Amino acid sequence: GAVVSQHPSWVICKSGTSVKIECRSLDFQATTMFWYRQFPKQSLMLMATSNEGSKATYEQGVEKDKFLINHASLTLSTLTVTSAHPEDSSFYICSARGQGAGYNEQFFGPGTRLTVL
Amino acid sequence: AQSVTQLGSHVSVSEGALVLLRCNYSSSVPPYLFWYVQYPNQGLQLLLKYTSAATLVKGINGFEAEFKKSETSFHLTKPSAHMSDAAEYFCAVSVGTGNQFYFGTGTSLTVIP
Repeated sequence: GAVVSQHPSWVICKSGTSVKIECRSLDFQATTMFWYRQFPKQSLMLMATSNEGSKATYEQGVEKDKFLINHASLTLSTLTVTSAHPEDSSFYICSARGQGAGYNEQFFGPGTRLTVL
Repeated sequence: AQSVTQLGSHVSVSEGALVLLRCNYSSSVPPYLFWYVQYPNQGLQLLLKYTSAATLVKGINGFEAEFKKSETSFHLTKPSAHMSDAAEYFCAVSVGTGNQFYFGTGTSLTVIP
């Protein structure tokens, strides 16, 4: 149980285009999903926290107009990188937290490798 | 504020030797602590977690960690390293209602045959 999927697993796009990454909780309902970015050989950097049905909360320094997050249902959150540029190339990982008080564990997706040419 | 420090960005051990990966945390309230493993180009897999129950936590693949409040540590150990243990390991702390995770910078484990 507690499986999180991401699609696509990798994507290559041209500079200036937009890319959408999906994060799905397959066997549980996720009230909260998190989006992380990871540069090579570095740790995960939290980009934003998204709660189902409400606006995402972005971390300081993350452009909300650049990284659009939508959490329309309890099993799906999407991250859209708008007008992507080479510096947006990175490994993007989502995680999901289940329902229930005191439920602190996050379940991570397999990640999406974005390469912007 | 919460934070995690992982001492040693790279650790090398011989196959069959003890694995010790260090993690110290800073938290003003009782924390939840986690160890994750990441293989190249993959997401994070939970190894084990501390959630205020037993201080010695056993996880998957023979790993375990001990929560020591007096030392604010949660070091990860495995008695005998296997080649398949070579990966990146992250320690994380979570507190509060937001359940935001704070990750350490990671430790790359190399297992020498």
